[in-house]
Amino acid sequence: GAVVSQHPSRVICKSGTSVKIECRSLDFQATTMFWYRQFPKQSLMLMATSNEGSKATYEQGVEKDKFLINHASLTLSTLTVTSAHPEDSSFYICSAPDSLNEQFFGPGTRLTVL
Amino acid sequence: DAKTTQPTSMDCAEGRAANLPCNHSTISGNEYVYWYRQIHSQGPQYIIHGLKNNETNEMASLIITEDRKSSTLILPHATLRDTAVYYCIVRVAGANAGNMLTFGGGTRLMVKP
Repeated sequence: GAVVSQHPSRVICKSGTSVKIECRSLDFQATTMFWYRQFPKQSLMLMATSNEGSKATYEQGVEKDKFLINHASLTLSTLTVTSAHPEDSSFYICSAPDSLNEQFFGPGTRLTVL
Repeated sequence: DAKTTQPTSMDCAEGRAANLPCNHSTISGNEYVYWYRQIHSQGPQYIIHGLKNNETNEMASLIITEDRKSSTLILPHATLRDTAVYYCIVRVAGANAGNMLTFGGGTRLMVKP
């Protein structure tokens, strides 16, 4: 199956700093990618849909100015958590659909904000 | 996408079959049943999907009832590495369908020695 990578896999940062997470589709192109957030012992919650060449669409309750999304190319989407705070600590996961609309997930990024 | 209901947790003995049920009584005619699993601290992994016929691959078997209102994922010989949260999702498949997946609570399967 298709492969989606994320970088970094783990990041620890100080409160108030910004953190960028990359999501790449390695062997296919994706005009759309999805960003999920998962808190401990909870399910994945969709945060936003990243669209190549246009603005991302955000789920209700997700602040677009805090979670900046840039879909720079057909294989790369980035999520920047701006002015991170401890409550932003979570597991962030991206996914991308292939040409048959089958979803492939990245390995996730564990963010810890001190 | 239709809502699914799964037990919160299940235990299974190593080497035995693990049968994970899922109810999806409001499934539409064009919606498939998908199963993913998530091992701790990893991204979800696709397992199998089906529309109405039973399906089998190298990982698992999927049994869908005739009325399509429920299904069962079967791991024929569970190993310790199968310990994970298993998500049952119903969605329209195909290139023209909406792409996102909506995750419910899933079933936490614990395979014990």
